[in-house]
Amino acid sequence: DTEVTQTPKHLVMGMTNKKSLKCEQHMGHRAMYWYKQKAKKPPELMFVYSYEKLSINESVPSRFSPECPNSSLLNLHLHALQPEDSALYLCASSHAGLEETQYFGPGTRLLVL
Amino acid sequence: TQLLEQSPQFLSIQEGENLTVYCNSSSVFSSLQWYRQEPGEGPVLLVTVVTGGEVKKLKRLTFQFGDARKDSSLHITAAQPGDTGLYLCAETSGSRLTFGEGTQLTVNP
Repeated sequence: DTEVTQTPKHLVMGMTNKKSLKCEQHMGHRAMYWYKQKAKKPPELMFVYSYEKLSINESVPSRFSPECPNSSLLNLHLHALQPEDSALYLCASSHAGLEETQYFGPGTRLLVL
Repeated sequence: TQLLEQSPQFLSIQEGENLTVYCNSSSVFSSLQWYRQEPGEGPVLLVTVVTGGEVKKLKRLTFQFGDARKDSSLHITAAQPGDTGLYLCAETSGSRLTFGEGTQLTVNP
């Protein structure tokens, strides 16, 4: 199984809502990532988890809260988002270690109204 | 974080044509990856190049890594509509993957 799955595929939320994005992989990878991608732009790194511990936070606003319940799951909790947070949110995973290949999920398309 | 420049930014061609897209850096790459991303999907890794002067082929796609490891190119022969997508080069630095701005390729039937 070389697949990273993400749910939901699409999400529409208001600025006062609380929602969560979910990511799952069963490749035995111990590093997992969240990226944000705006239209016609490359993905931008948000968070990196290594062995279920947060290792990189790219100065992401606190309205985004990541969580890694176990080595296969990665969540991104959303609260009080702004319309400019609308984007494609991509999850990726890799073997832990430097410069390992990252495998991406299909993303969650988020629209904040 | 080094800057990755990709060119052209947009490319629209007819089926059967050949094309080349480029990725350049201000400094030496440790390794370089090429991804293709289709609409509504995540990026999919095409190839990783590590050695200066390296050439890798993947069916109709040919990837070259410059001798000085500061540039790379992707050449597609006889493009097909299924090649349409966003082509991204990326460099890994530790756990970070830094992408170029991408080349949006459209192959018209």
